[in-house]
Amino acid sequence: KAGVTQTPRYLIKTRGQQVTLSCSPISGHRSVSWYQQTPGQGLQFLFEYFSETQRNKGNFPGRFSGRQFSNSRSEMNVSTLELGDSALYLCASSSGYSEAFFGQGTRLTVV
Amino acid sequence: AQTVTQSQPEMSVQEAETVTLSCTYDTSESDYYLFWYKQPPSRQMILVIRQEAYKQQNATENRFSVNFQKAAKSFSLKISDSQLGDAAMYFCAYSERDSGTYKYIFGTGTRLKVLA
Repeated sequence: KAGVTQTPRYLIKTRGQQVTLSCSPISGHRSVSWYQQTPGQGLQFLFEYFSETQRNKGNFPGRFSGRQFSNSRSEMNVSTLELGDSALYLCASSSGYSEAFFGQGTRLTVV
Repeated sequence: AQTVTQSQPEMSVQEAETVTLSCTYDTSESDYYLFWYKQPPSRQMILVIRQEAYKQQNATENRFSVNFQKAAKSFSLKISDSQLGDAAMYFCAYSERDSGTYKYIFGTGTRLKVLA
């Protein structure tokens, strides 16, 4: 069974640009969550999607958005990038609240 | 609101020794899960161990075991016979079903160093 796949692994963007990150969950999992990980803040919850609907959202500005497709794949978009958006973005898929499986993450660097 | 607290930003342990990582949480729910995840330098978050709140018996996975104190809302991880490969960030996490959504909350992590 394939794991959670995130693409790309690394990304360098300039301030003001926008970026789209992709996450393919484990087959059969309908819930996909996104987290931002920074050295000082730990894992911060961004949002969770289930069957193409955003069910939960963390405390992030509107520049951060996401969506989920009918095949459960999810994308996360950040517009008007700021230096502070540099982080590791992790995606997790789950079939319930008994376990979340993580991808390897996308390392975003904003210069 | 539910919170997860890891008060030890960094811990060190000698190879082959035992180390305990602390975690406390706060919730008013009775049905939830607790987890310890390991994040090595490769960045892949790996589930180490899981505890269901309804189960009184502490979970164990080989060299990893937990001390689950439900009343005290404490969930510590004990690593026995520490190995160099255990060096990583360890995150304590909590999950519950909240109005149909699955909410996972993570602590800030403990960096474990294993000394040869």
